[in-house]
Amino acid sequence: NAGVTQTPKFQVLKTGQSMTLQCAQDMNHNSMYWYRQDPGMGLRLIYYSASEGTTDKGEVPNGYNVSRLNKREFSLRLESAAPSQTSVYFCASTEIPGVGHFGPGTRLLVL
Amino acid sequence: GQQVMQIPQYQHVQEGEDFTTYCNSSTTLSNIQWYKQRPGGHPVFLIQLVKSGEVKKQKRLTFQFGEAKKNSSLHITATQTTDVGTYFCAGWAGSYQLTFGKGTKLSVIP
Repeated sequence: NAGVTQTPKFQVLKTGQSMTLQCAQDMNHNSMYWYRQDPGMGLRLIYYSASEGTTDKGEVPNGYNVSRLNKREFSLRLESAAPSQTSVYFCASTEIPGVGHFGPGTRLLVL
Repeated sequence: GQQVMQIPQYQHVQEGEDFTTYCNSSTTLSNIQWYKQRPGGHPVFLIQLVKSGEVKKQKRLTFQFGEAKKNSSLHITATQTTDVGTYFCAGWAGSYQLTFGKGTKLSVIP
């Protein structure tokens, strides 16, 4: 069991470039989440998918889009990266109201 | 929306001293969870409390859930350098969102 996997681990982008962060889980969880973590700000929810076929905005959705590709995969897309999106991004999955299982994170630097 | 407040934001302790972090929710929680994040790592689940007034222990860690199910605490007795990291509380409040506190970053001075 790999749990929650994320790719890439690190990424450097220039302002205006786009990229997609990939997340996959093998625990057959219905719900998946994208968080960003900035110093002193804790974990802020960007988007979530309560079940396959649904997605909803979290606390900080601006500048992001998501796709729940299937039950296993949930991707996060930055269409036009900005320096304010420099952060560590975590994907998580769970069965509500259960334990959150986190991926190892993607460290993104936008220049 | 639901808010989860956590204090203190930072705590520096001498090795062997005790440490406590507190968590308060703006709404009643169905359960509360605690996570630990080591430097450079990802949040890892520690424990879940479900019942009003529940107390659970894991070796030197004691977790409490308040009677009103809106607050919680984590107490570490006799801290060790291996306790270093950021501790987060998180709660479900009947929505699809697991809301996290901002975390308490613990530094332990050897």
